[in-house]
This record gives sequence, C-alpha cells and structure tokens, in this order.
Amino acid sequence: DSGVTQTPKHLITATGQRVTLRCSPRSGDLSVYWYQQSLDQGLQFLIQYYNGEERAKGNILERFSAQQFPDLHSELNLSSLELGDSALYFCASSSSLAPGEQYFGPGTRLTVT
Amino acid sequence: AQSVAQPEDQVNVAEGNPLTVKCTYSVSGNPYLFWYVQYPNRGLQFLLKYITGDNLVKGSYGFEAEFNKSQTSFHLKKPSALVSDSALYFCAVQTDSWGKLQFGAGTQVVVTP
Repeated sequence: DSGVTQTPKHLITATGQRVTLRCSPRSGDLSVYWYQQSLDQGLQFLIQYYNGEERAKGNILERFSAQQFPDLHSELNLSSLELGDSALYFCASSSSLAPGEQYFGPGTRLTVT
Repeated sequence: AQSVAQPEDQVNVAEGNPLTVKCTYSVSGNPYLFWYVQYPNRGLQFLLKYITGDNLVKGSYGFEAEFNKSQTSFHLKKPSALVSDSALYFCAVQTDSWGKLQFGAGTQVVVTP
C-alpha cells in the first residue's frame, strides 16, 4: 500500500460528460502528480501541484483541469469527454526531499462510451 | 529534451535465470534516473534511483541497476528471476527540479517456471 488513495476506482460515463477524479497524497507529501496511461500513448504526465500551486504542466488537454486544496488532496476534472479519453488515470505524490521518488495510487479506470 | 528509451517491448526469462531490462537515456547535464514496476491492475511502484555516486544502485525486491555514462544506459538487473517478477517495468528520467518524470514506453517481463 503506497499510502496514496484515489476514488473512484472505476468510472463509466458517456461522451460529452464531465467527471471528477479525486486523490489524497501520502501523509506529509506536498507534491501531487497526475498521469494518464493508455495503450496507444503509454504513461503521460499531465500536471503537478506543490502545496496548492501548479508547478508543471505536461500533455494536458484544455478540457482537463486540476487543483490541489488546502488539505493537499487533489482533483482532476475532465470535461466534454471523448472516447479517446478512456484510460487509467494515476495520481502520485512525493516529498520535496526526493521529488522523483513518487508513490502512486491504484488509479481510476475511466471508460467513455 | 530529456528522454529515456526502452528498446524491448517484452523480455522472456526462465525462473532462476538472470534478468536484464534495458534503458538508455538522453539528457543534458547529470541525469536523475529511476525504475518503476507495475503489477497487473496496480499503480506503479518505485524500485530504485540513480542520482549520483556509485554506478551500481541497489533497490527493492533484489533488483539493482547499473549506470553507464559512456553508453548512456541504466539497465535494470536481477541475478535470479522469480515468477512473481512478471510485470511491466518503466525507466524514467526526472526532467525538472520539481520531480516531473518522463517515462519510457515500458518493458513487459515474463518469467516462466
């Protein structure tokens, strides 16, 4: 158990809808990262937050947004969903002492129908 | 741009035999390199990292990795593979000081009894 929790575990929704994925980092970790894993794109970095502030952006679509709250949990919002957004979405956290050493949650499997 | 490459989609090895998973990197400056493992239906787990120092890095579950600057490689090794080592292995490079990781495409390891 990495100490990172993600909800929900599975999500099935229709095209055009909006969903919110939630992540709670390990106790004490200030950094939260979001990744998308799909068969055709592999593991893609989406966005990083550190103590509530956005720190880095990767291949994140404009239809996607995220935020980190004062209690350090984070939410990833996906809107106007398309079939191609179906993927596994992972959250990871790390301490500021070892930022590349990341601890991943179990993921949310999103299926867009 | 900083990147890693995993030249093998799949590695097959018999239980008890040595296991090697290859990774090459392309970075400017000193690389921060990582190996992660993903078991089926799970998030990624940190295995080991190279930041500086000894070229041979020891990690979890009996894995080690050898950093070779002249060959720009960071191969993952295990002297004696177990069936339970069957998983998807990712090499990664840290691309900024905040911990953003660029992952390779992954190598599926299959260990047969």
